[in-house]
Amino acid sequence: DSGVTQTPKHLITATGQRVTLRCSPRSGDLSVYWYQQSLDQGLQFLIHYYNGEERAKGNILERFSAQQFPDLHSELNLSSLELGDSALYFCASSPRTSGGALVDTQYFGPGTRLTVL
Amino acid sequence: DQQVKQNSPSLSVQEGRISILNCDYTNSMFDYFLWYKKYPAEGPTFLISISSIKDKNEDGRFTVFLNKSAKHLSLHIVPSQPGDSAVYFCAAKNRGSTLGRLYFGRGTQLTVWP
Repeated sequence: DSGVTQTPKHLITATGQRVTLRCSPRSGDLSVYWYQQSLDQGLQFLIHYYNGEERAKGNILERFSAQQFPDLHSELNLSSLELGDSALYFCASSPRTSGGALVDTQYFGPGTRLTVL
Repeated sequence: DQQVKQNSPSLSVQEGRISILNCDYTNSMFDYFLWYKKYPAEGPTFLISISSIKDKNEDGRFTVFLNKSAKHLSLHIVPSQPGDSAVYFCAAKNRGSTLGRLYFGRGTQLTVWP
């Protein structure tokens, strides 16, 4: 158990719909990363939040958005869903060193499997 | 553009023998590398890492080797056990970047048979 929690575990929805995926980082971690894993693909970076602020964006579609709340949990919103959005969505968190730098290792949650029919 | 490549989608090894998983990268700015293990229906679990200032890092049965000139790293598991059967992902990072993101390969499915 990495300490990162994600809900729901599974999500089945229809094209055109909107869903929200939720992630709670490990206790004390300020960083949240979102990744997408499509069939037979590696994990593709979507977005990084640190202490409520967006730090970096990767291959995230305009139909997707995210935010990190004051309690540090994060939500990934996916709208106008298409069949190709079916994937595993992982979030990860990383701690800081005593010097304040982010630790390189990211700890992953169990993922949300999204199926768009 | 796949900057981290795992060219073997699968590897089958007998229990007790050595498993060698390979990974290549193209971006010379990468200076930190990680291996993750993933079981079905679970998230990736951190296994071992190596900084570019080293060429080897060992943790129990797991050893990672880095060849910077060849932009190649490998994970050795000795001896292999059936519980090691999982998908192994290689990941890389540019510590100098403020992005903090990891770049992942597509994974290698390791099967260890008795």
